[in-house]
Amino acid sequence: ETGVTQTPRHLVMGMTNKKSLKCEQHLGHNAMYWYKQSAKKPLELMFVYSLEERVENNSVPSRFSPECPNSSHLFLHLHTLQPEDSALYLCASSQDSGVRETQYFGPGTRLLVL
Amino acid sequence: DQQVKQNSPSLSVQEGRISILNCDYTNSMFDYFLWYKKYPAEGPTFLISISSIKDKNEDGRFTVFLNKSAKHLSLHIVPSQPGDSAVYFCAAKDYAGGTSYGKLTFGQGTILTVHP
Repeated sequence: ETGVTQTPRHLVMGMTNKKSLKCEQHLGHNAMYWYKQSAKKPLELMFVYSLEERVENNSVPSRFSPECPNSSHLFLHLHTLQPEDSALYLCASSQDSGVRETQYFGPGTRLLVL
Repeated sequence: DQQVKQNSPSLSVQEGRISILNCDYTNSMFDYFLWYKKYPAEGPTFLISISSIKDKNEDGRFTVFLNKSAKHLSLHIVPSQPGDSAVYFCAAKDYAGGTSYGKLTFGQGTILTVHP
């Protein structure tokens, strides 16, 4: 595998379910990100991990819980979600090296909350 | 308040002609700008970037222009090809506060359709 991978690609869950999204990067990067893309809205940054420590949490509800066990893996644990949480969830990674770093994205997980 | 705006939701261009995608921003602390392309069912793919110390960057058929005084950037694709049909996002990076990573702020995207 190369680049950034995400599983599952599609997920349907009820409001009482607990599920997790997984992201893995094969680029040797040291920063990872979760973004949310809702219909007709810009990508919204949710969480940033740099060197496996969370450095940014953009006021995301606690029903979203990230986990970064090492520099290659990032999880987003979901529980008691709401229908308005249905969206495309994108993971990205970058090499935290200064001004000209570029973030590389995975294919996303399309989430539907019923 | 949206700090990065792409005011054209869609653009339709004939194959072989020039495509010009525009992006405006309001935050003067942005110092690095990127364009991403996104096909359906895929994540955004990095296309081209420009630092705030430059006003132009070129890579093959893709050129990005930056006008700092107008807080405006544009992506030119010439000649346009049907395979360029996708959603194009501009993004801006802000290093304010001395953080060692960059936060990307995205525009809403412009759907480009290139007709054969």
